[in-house]
Amino acid sequence: EDKVVQSPLSLVVHEGDTVTLNCSYEVTNFRSLLWYKQEKKAPTFLFMLTSSGIEKKSGRLSSILDKKELSSILNITATQTGDSAIYLCAVDSNTGNQFYFGTGTSLTVIP
Amino acid sequence: SAVISQKPSRDICQRGTSLTIQCQVDSQVTMMFWYRQQPGQSLTLIATANQGSEATYESGFVIDKFPISRPNLTFSTLTVSNMSPEDSSIYLCSVVAGGNQPQHFGDGTRLSIL
Repeated sequence: EDKVVQSPLSLVVHEGDTVTLNCSYEVTNFRSLLWYKQEKKAPTFLFMLTSSGIEKKSGRLSSILDKKELSSILNITATQTGDSAIYLCAVDSNTGNQFYFGTGTSLTVIP
Repeated sequence: SAVISQKPSRDICQRGTSLTIQCQVDSQVTMMFWYRQQPGQSLTLIATANQGSEATYESGFVIDKFPISRPNLTFSTLTVSNMSPEDSSIYLCSVVAGGNQPQHFGDGTRLSIL
């Protein structure tokens, strides 16, 4: 059965800390892995990763994919209260255009 | 990326009634999807909206309960029929522009059933 697992489920840190969120997957016909940030209702797109070892970076956020280990990490440096959100990992499969979502990591950044 | 307008943003409905949610995209897209997110849960795919034909439903979701239309490549509707409190969720429309592209989401509809 195809699945995406994220860890930890929740995380509480202080402003300025660095956090690492994990995503592992077992998906047939992997095409890409995506990270989203969900603050209120709609997830907003962060990164799409297709190749191993190539880091994607946007400001204080970065992500990398390891296709050998079937996993990805999302790093956030110098966290701010505005980073508080649920971070979702999804895997896109070539099979029937399916996107498989993990349960998310809830990040809370305390001032 | 495509601009996606989803409405209503939220609604409170009586049990037994139906509500139609609209999703409008500012450009033609290949794929349109409808998701449900129950409180404290991740996203669950309801169906893929197919242009000009019946939607493709995931296990556990049926057309009678969640009829979907997609008359063209920029618009889709999801109806939640005969609502019960268990249908209280966030409903999300998402699109894929084409090829190996990421999904982008509408702003979502927060639905509460009394």
